[in-house]
Amino acid sequence: QVQLVQSGAEVKKPGASVKVSCKVSGFTLTALSMHWVRQAPGKGLEWMGCFDPEHGERIYAQKFQGRVSMIEDTSTDTAYMELSGLRSDDTAVYFCASENLNKCLDVWGQGTTVTVSS
Amino acid sequence: DIQMTQSPSSLSASVGDRVTITCRASQSISRSLNWYQQEPGKPPKLLIYVASRLQSGVPSRFSGSGSGTHFTLTITSLQPEDFATYFCQQSYNTPKSFGQGTKVEIK
Repeated sequence: QVQLVQSGAEVKKPGASVKVSCKVSGFTLTALSMHWVRQAPGKGLEWMGCFDPEHGERIYAQKFQGRVSMIEDTSTDTAYMELSGLRSDDTAVYFCASENLNKCLDVWGQGTTVTVSS
Repeated sequence: DIQMTQSPSSLSASVGDRVTITCRASQSISRSLNWYQQEPGKPPKLLIYVASRLQSGVPSRFSGSGSGTHFTLTITSLQPEDFATYFCQQSYNTPKSFGQGTKVEIK
């Protein structure tokens, strides 16, 4: 049974960077396709990107290209999402979620609230 | 990029009602369509995958149908725990876009 546990809430100033972690248990990170999705307050879900283990590549939504980095530490089975150049509209809950063979996000982390405020 | 459009954006219904939510893709996505339910303050929960397959543990009153560009999520006999927001997502290609959500409220 895969479980994903994310790091705690963050408050950042505009222009700063944030790094959110997602610890995998019950499975090995190398076998998972980890996705990152965010949700601004009162808004819908926004797909940010993922790691494709089959091709060994990271795929980012164009909106975040150049500002986002998704990395995997296989020694600790922990995935990280780092977002730089934070703006107030990056205030959101950030979720990690694993994709299964049916190409759906069947396991989600609890979410990490990131607040960007001066 | 594939755009996903849900309708309605919100609806009011009573316990026991039949509810249908529609999701349209801007291009054909075959049957690569998933449905999620989200309660306030919680992560989304997978309900339906590959357009019509029920995720393990999800009640049979939930069903999905469609292919190509037109998909529906149906809840027969709405229960109190079903009042939530529902999102569709295409898994045909990246970016794996979501619909804007449909909030199901109590009438």
